[in-house]
Parts: sequence; structure tokens; C-alpha cells
Amino acid sequence: DAKTTQPPSMDCAEGRAANLPCNHSTISGNEYVYWYRQIHSQGPQYIIHGLKNNETNEMASLIITEDRKSSTLILPHATLRDTAVYYCIVRVVNAGNNRKLIWGLGTSLAVNP
Amino acid sequence: NAGVTQTPKFQVLKTGQSMTLQCAQDMNHEYMSWYRQDPGMGLRLIHYSVGAGITDQGEVPNGYNVSRSTTEDFPLRLLSAAPSQTSVYFCASSRTGGRNEKLFFGSGTQLSVL
Repeated sequence: DAKTTQPPSMDCAEGRAANLPCNHSTISGNEYVYWYRQIHSQGPQYIIHGLKNNETNEMASLIITEDRKSSTLILPHATLRDTAVYYCIVRVVNAGNNRKLIWGLGTSLAVNP
Repeated sequence: NAGVTQTPKFQVLKTGQSMTLQCAQDMNHEYMSWYRQDPGMGLRLIHYSVGAGITDQGEVPNGYNVSRSTTEDFPLRLLSAAPSQTSVYFCASSRTGGRNEKLFFGSGTQLSVL
């Protein structure tokens, strides 16, 4: 079962910030939160990931709450090319130190002109 | 630098036929994996490998076989295709070890089983 919950769809005006929420209330202490996006049936593209600290890179910012039960992906100035399905994913590390990503259904973000 | 290359992009099979989906990466990644993506469902892990000669099952391994004879290649075999295997298949790779475990995905193979 997916361990994350996201709204199925969101809209954002071009040039404005897009804030995509994700709930991961059952996350464990050693599980990372990853964000990927998928543009029109292409292969998913990595955006950002974090454990408990906020993270920022050239694509986005990731805000993780102190209790780690939820996070928000921020696209600071959304463009039409950011229209995609955004996946919030928990990385599970099992006893054998093998890493698996558990994917949910994602949020379909539409950036409107 | 090609990244992760999948072939073919499209394939139509009849029930019972066999085929191999090819995946190759040129980034010297130790970790490789196969996912399937179906409408209304998230990506589901089929099989994965943490290095040459090592493979393990994911969430939905039934009906699929894999092997990892080299670091670069990780083929997915359907021994007897079934309509339930109609899906889009993605191969992904990443480095092993460290915090930076981002996955690099191929462009996908759209498979239809009639």
C-alpha cells in the first residue's frame, strides 16, 4: 500500500508559486521523502528529497514538518512546462538495507497561462 | 551520455508469446529496477538489482523474470504474456550508497497483450 496521500489535482497560475502538499503520517525515522514528476507519459524525473530538514535545489524547495508527517513541494515560479503529475514518495529501507520507493497516485498539476 | 535506454518503445504481443524488454544504463550505476505503470495506480516495482549477479523481487514479480549479468544491462523477460501484463514499463537506475539515491528513468515501453 502507498504510504503517502496527495490531492489528485491542483491548478496554479503561471508565474505564481505552486505548493503541493503530501501526507505521510506513518513515515518511520529512517524513511526519506522523495518528489518526482512525470510529464505526459515520459519517464519520471527526480525533483528533490529530504529526511527531516528543509531542502532547496535549482528546481524546487521541500518543506518537511517537524513531526515529519507531512511535507510540501514548492515550485517558486511555475511555468507551463511544470504541468505534470507530481509524486510524493517514501523511501523504505528494509532489514537487508535494500531501498524501495513506494509510489502513490500523485497530484496532477495544471499550470495555466 | 545516454542515461537509461529502453527498447522497444512500443510492443504488441499475443497471449502466450514471450519477449524481453531491454534496459541499459551508461552511468555505472549499481542499482537497477523495473516498474510497471497502470491507469489509476502508482508505479509498482517488479524486480530490482543492487549489482551484477544480484536480483530480488519487488511488489509484483509474478510473470516476470530478470537477470543481471553486467552492471550496464537489466533485461525484463515475459515468458508467457498475459493481457494483465498490458502496461507501460519503466526501467530506472541509481548509484548505491549515500543519501543521494535519486532514480534515473528510461522513457518507457508501452506493451499491449492481446
